[in-house]
Order: sequence, then structure tokens, then C-alpha cells
Amino acid sequence: ETGVTQTPRHLVMGMTNKKSLKCEQHLGHNAMYWYKQSAKKPLELMFVYSLEERVENNSVPSRFSPECPNSSHLFLHLHTLQPEDSALYLCASSQVLGQGALNEQFFGPGTRLTVL
Amino acid sequence: GQNIDQPTEMTATEGAIVQINCTYQTSGFNGLFWYQQHAGEAPTFLSYNVLDGLEEKGRFSSFLSRSKGYSYLLLKELQMKDSASYLCAVRDLLTGGGNKLTFGTGTQLKVEL
Repeated sequence: ETGVTQTPRHLVMGMTNKKSLKCEQHLGHNAMYWYKQSAKKPLELMFVYSLEERVENNSVPSRFSPECPNSSHLFLHLHTLQPEDSALYLCASSQVLGQGALNEQFFGPGTRLTVL
Repeated sequence: GQNIDQPTEMTATEGAIVQINCTYQTSGFNGLFWYQQHAGEAPTFLSYNVLDGLEEKGRFSSFLSRSKGYSYLLLKELQMKDSASYLCAVRDLLTGGGNKLTFGTGTQLKVEL
């Protein structure tokens, strides 16, 4: 595997279900991100982990719970979601470097989530 | 906070040149990125500007003016495969490490024959 991978690619769940999204990066990066992409809206940053510590929680409801067990893996645990949470959830990774350095974010293909 | 504006849609002809503009108002700035996203796929990195001026990369160029809060992406010799959404994003650094990208809504470019 290369780059950033995400599983599953598609997920349909009921409002009472509990599920988890998985992201794995094979780039040797030390920062990982969760984004939400809804139709007609900008990509919204949800969480940032740098060196396995959460450094940003962008006012995300508690029904979304991230976990970063090591620098290569990132999870998003989902419970009691709402239909408006249906969206594409993208994972990204980057290297933590000095100010002004490129350290662009590399994105995974996303998980298309539908909440019924 | 950050506010990023870019046109919603643009149409251009194969072989032509198109310029996609992006304006931003930000509380912090550490670079501006352009990403390309084909339908159903991950965004892919195109270009990066942190200083004023033009960065050229093959058929793609990006320009930045920090004083005006303005950037553009220039695509030359358009090909049908360039039909995609082009995302402008402003970066701010996080004190705990990593970086925070704030994205515009994206410009959907359609290339026609």
C-alpha cells in the first residue's frame, strides 16, 4: 500500500449504530487530519493529531470521537449520528516541519457515509 | 477566522488558458495551497505559495499577493482531464504542531471541446 488509505470506502448506518472509520498513512508523516466534505460546502477540518497528540478539535459534536494510536493510524469512531452527518469523510497526513516549509497534506480517497 | 472566496463554476475550451481566482481574509497566514479534486476522488496537491509572486509548474502556475489577499491558479493548454474541482486553501500553523488548512468551496471547471 502506498499513500493514504481509508476503509471502508462506503458505509451506510442507522442513527443508533456504532461504527468506526479507519485511516492509514504509508508516508512516514507525523501529523494526521480528519475532514468532512458535504455537497456545496467547503472541506471542513474536524480534528488534527500531531505527534499522536490531538492539537485541534474544530467544534465537532461529541458523537464523533477520534483516536490516534500511533503516527500511522487514525480512527474516527461514530455513534448516534444524524442524517445531516452524511458526507464524505477524508483523512490526510503531513509532515510537521518548520514554518514556511511546504509540508503539504496528502489525502486519502475518503469514506462516503450515509446515515439513515 | 478565515474566509475564502472563489467562483463556483467555470467553463473553458480544450487548448485554452483559464485563470481561477481566490481571495481570502484571514487572521493567520502561512501559505496558500491549490488542490485538484476529481469527482469521487481525493484532493491532490497542485501548488503552494508562501511569498508573493508566480510559481510555475508545467501547465499549472499559481500567483500570490499577500497584501491584496489574492491568489490565482492558471491552467494552460487545457485538456479534457483537467475537468475537476479546484480548491483554494489557506494554511495556518498550529501551536501544537501540524498545520490547519481552511478551504474555499472549490471551483468546478468544465473543459469542453
